[in-house]
Amino acid sequence: DVKVTQSSRYLVKRTGEKVFLECVQDMDHENMFWYRQDPGLGLRLIYFSYDVKMKEKGDIPEGYSVSREKKERFSLILESASTNQTSMYLCASSLSYGLRAEAFFGQGTRLTVV
Amino acid sequence: AQSVTQLDSHVSVSEGTPVLLRCNYSSSYSPSLFWYVQHPNKGLQLLLKYTSAATLVKGINGFEAEFKKSETSFHLTKPSAHMSDAAEYFCVVSPNTGTASKLTFGTGTRLQVTL
Repeated sequence: DVKVTQSSRYLVKRTGEKVFLECVQDMDHENMFWYRQDPGLGLRLIYFSYDVKMKEKGDIPEGYSVSREKKERFSLILESASTNQTSMYLCASSLSYGLRAEAFFGQGTRLTVV
Repeated sequence: AQSVTQLDSHVSVSEGTPVLLRCNYSSSYSPSLFWYVQHPNKGLQLLLKYTSAATLVKGINGFEAEFKKSETSFHLTKPSAHMSDAAEYFCVVSPNTGTASKLTFGTGTRLQVTL
């Protein structure tokens, strides 16, 4: 089974802190994604990566950055956390486009910024 | 460009009655379409996917969906709801082209199942 593991289920951080959310997948997938999920808004793409050291902005990249130094690991960084970044964060991975585009999701990290 | 519209934010059915969750999509390319389910405090799980083979797709837990190109729809159905089906459901579209399968999610439909 494909496994996508997010390092924390729950996090509480203070405003202004630098926050790291880590995600690891074990299926050698090329693509990895970070989404945030908010009630009534569905999932919105923050960043994605289609190869090591390659990244592209998604729909809502402001206030976030990412790092992909190894194929299996994709990190989301909040440079200076703010209360409007309180949300559920979901990591996903997939093979390439089309028929193989099925994404596998981690359990999510619920981040609260106080 | 691609987009997904889930026509109902909330659907309530009685146990044992049919379920219909509606989804319309827009895509510049011939798309792949997916339905995912999310139970409370859980990650997303794939229910089924359409990838340009049969237009009627069967998924897990008795769910199925029909791809209708003329109506740009991909509605999710189940003949008889079970209490365990209560969850949030997301319709997702992906283009069959490009270097990365960028998924576009609908805003979700919360399914409530009552006794």
